[in-house]
Amino acid sequence: AQKITQTQPGMFVQEKEAVTLDCTYDTSDPSYGLFWYKQPSSGEMIFLIYQGSYDQQNATEGRYSLNFQKARKSANLVISASQLGDSAMYFCAMRETSYGGATNKLIFGTGTLLAVQP
Amino acid sequence: DVKVTQSSRYLVKRTGEKVFLECVQDMDHENMFWYRQDPGLGLRLIYFSYDVKMKEKGDIPEGYSVSREKKERFSLILESASTNQTSMYLCASSLFFQQSYEQYFGPGTRLTVT
Repeated sequence: AQKITQTQPGMFVQEKEAVTLDCTYDTSDPSYGLFWYKQPSSGEMIFLIYQGSYDQQNATEGRYSLNFQKARKSANLVISASQLGDSAMYFCAMRETSYGGATNKLIFGTGTLLAVQP
Repeated sequence: DVKVTQSSRYLVKRTGEKVFLECVQDMDHENMFWYRQDPGLGLRLIYFSYDVKMKEKGDIPEGYSVSREKKERFSLILESASTNQTSMYLCASSLFFQQSYEQYFGPGTRLTVT
């Protein structure tokens, strides 16, 4: 069964420093997609970044980058130059596959609560 | 901008009541989803729909039902609310399948059942 694991329940980072949020996944399918979402205290989930399993390069979106290590089955989110507004819950997710094909469903990890300190 | 709206941000209901949570999206998305979010458990899929009047069970459908009579609207129904259904409920929508298509989420409804 596919699974997403986030082992860091909470993290602190100083403003302007970089931070890495860990995510490992488990799937036997060669084709899959990985997502990161941010959830501020307001509750809304905000899409940050996507990485496909066949993408040659690590995905980047502004200050967000995804450190994709396929052999280790890890998809860590790196936030550079942290800002106070980055304080939020962060979720890693994977598109579920079924009978060798991707589905419309996402599997989520349990999240990491990031606190950015001034 | 894609917009997903939910009928209430906060809701308090009594045990045994029938509860309706409404979700509306304005981007003509085929897929719509209902999740519940609990601390330490992440998001768990309750039901989803890929077309009008079509629905599929997610991972935790017990105690819930759904309705999709129009493409833009997806309702979650708690037939007889119980205290263990106290949770944050999130609605999401997406275009029909492509690998990279993200889901767009509403602001969530925090439901308390007393």
